[in-house]
Amino acid sequence: SAVISQKPSRDICQRGTSLTIQCQVDSQVTMMFWYRQQPGQSLTLIATANQGSEATYESGFVIDKFPISRPNLTFSTLTVSNMSPEDSSIYLCSVFSSGAARNEQFFGPGTRLTVL
Amino acid sequence: AQTVTQSQPEMSVQEAETVTLSCTYDTSESDYYLFWYKQPPSRQMILVIRQEAYKQQNATENRFSVNFQKAAKSFSLKISDSQLGDAAMYFCAYRSASSASKIIFGSGTRLSIRP
Repeated sequence: SAVISQKPSRDICQRGTSLTIQCQVDSQVTMMFWYRQQPGQSLTLIATANQGSEATYESGFVIDKFPISRPNLTFSTLTVSNMSPEDSSIYLCSVFSSGAARNEQFFGPGTRLTVL
Repeated sequence: AQTVTQSQPEMSVQEAETVTLSCTYDTSESDYYLFWYKQPPSRQMILVIRQEAYKQQNATENRFSVNFQKAAKSFSLKISDSQLGDAAMYFCAYRSASSASKIIFGSGTRLSIRP
């Protein structure tokens, strides 16, 4: 299994500012995923981050708004830039385990962001 | 493109009773995984059960079992002996067997348990 921690767990931010969310995994993983969950909604994939290469963004998400870093195999950051109230969501980090046991996808506890 | 559909936004069940949550999906692939995730108010996503498409036998995990109908592209979750702690959002999810693929979620079903 993989244990994922995220910082901060929640934040309240002002419009126009930026917030960087950190994701730390207790084991080395090739791919890390960033999801957004808007209030009362399901999870939507923002981007996939591979170590040593540019992140791959899903339709509707762009690097200027959601820059991602992936400096090593256990860590990633997602920045929400120039925030507006529409960015108020839970942001979740996720990793895929291709270990022998289960090919399971694990999720971090999420970061609850409120933009005023 | 693959899609996952949950047609029940909300469900309610009496404690100790059985409830079934529905999920259908659409894909042209033959090899994939299906999941049910639980998200309690703590918002932590918890894997409830998974099913490999190549397996004919339905997966079971204690009080949780699935009815996997590959031809019909249906993947329902049955919760037996419902407990108060089962109250949560339940998401059905799909992932291709390709190691590079993303997981696709349904819209979720909010399950409440009546004491």
